[in-house]
Amino acid sequence: ILNVEQSPQSLHVQEGDSTNFTCSFPSSNFYALHWYRWETAKSPEALFVMTLNGDEKKKGRISATLNTKEGYSYLYIKGSQPEDSATYLCAFREYGNKLVFGAGTILRVKS
Amino acid sequence: DSGVTQTPKHLITATGQRVTLRCSPRSGDLSVYWYQQSLDQGLQFLIQYYNGEERAKGNILERFSAQQFPDLHSELNLSSLELGDSALYFCASSVTLRSDTQYFGPGTRLTVL
Repeated sequence: ILNVEQSPQSLHVQEGDSTNFTCSFPSSNFYALHWYRWETAKSPEALFVMTLNGDEKKKGRISATLNTKEGYSYLYIKGSQPEDSATYLCAFREYGNKLVFGAGTILRVKS
Repeated sequence: DSGVTQTPKHLITATGQRVTLRCSPRSGDLSVYWYQQSLDQGLQFLIQYYNGEERAKGNILERFSAQQFPDLHSELNLSSLELGDSALYFCASSVTLRSDTQYFGPGTRLTVL
């Protein structure tokens, strides 16, 4: 059974704080790692697709790193803003195409 | 607006019934994915089609089936519905088979009474 773990489960930070979350996934049969941002009452929105060990991706104040050998990815948010409040999901894709999502990290940013 | 459309937005039906959910991918996207989000559960991958062919299967029940038509729209059929099938069903599309960005539709909220 493929297991994708995200930590922490939830996070409350102040506006301006920087924060990071972890996604742990199987280190074998890796094909890709996806990060999504999911706001309440909306659809998930893709942030990054990462495929190579050592990949680093950046989008504005959000960045992500990937370590496929040890099976983890970090998502960083620099200078959190209230509009960053959302659930951040990662999804592991294996060579067989199956996708498994983590349970997500809920981020709440207080102004 | 992601460009992925799903109909209907809401569906209320009774146990034992059968329903069909419809998804139109973004123009040019060949791959369609179906996901289920139940209460207290994360997003579960159900099935993927690429250019009309089934390419990956997740936690899809035997009572559920899907297909992708020549115009690339997809339908998810749910039969012998149970209370536990009440959930938000998302469709997503992407250009390629595997590693590119997926764009999610607005979802169909299914309520089984």
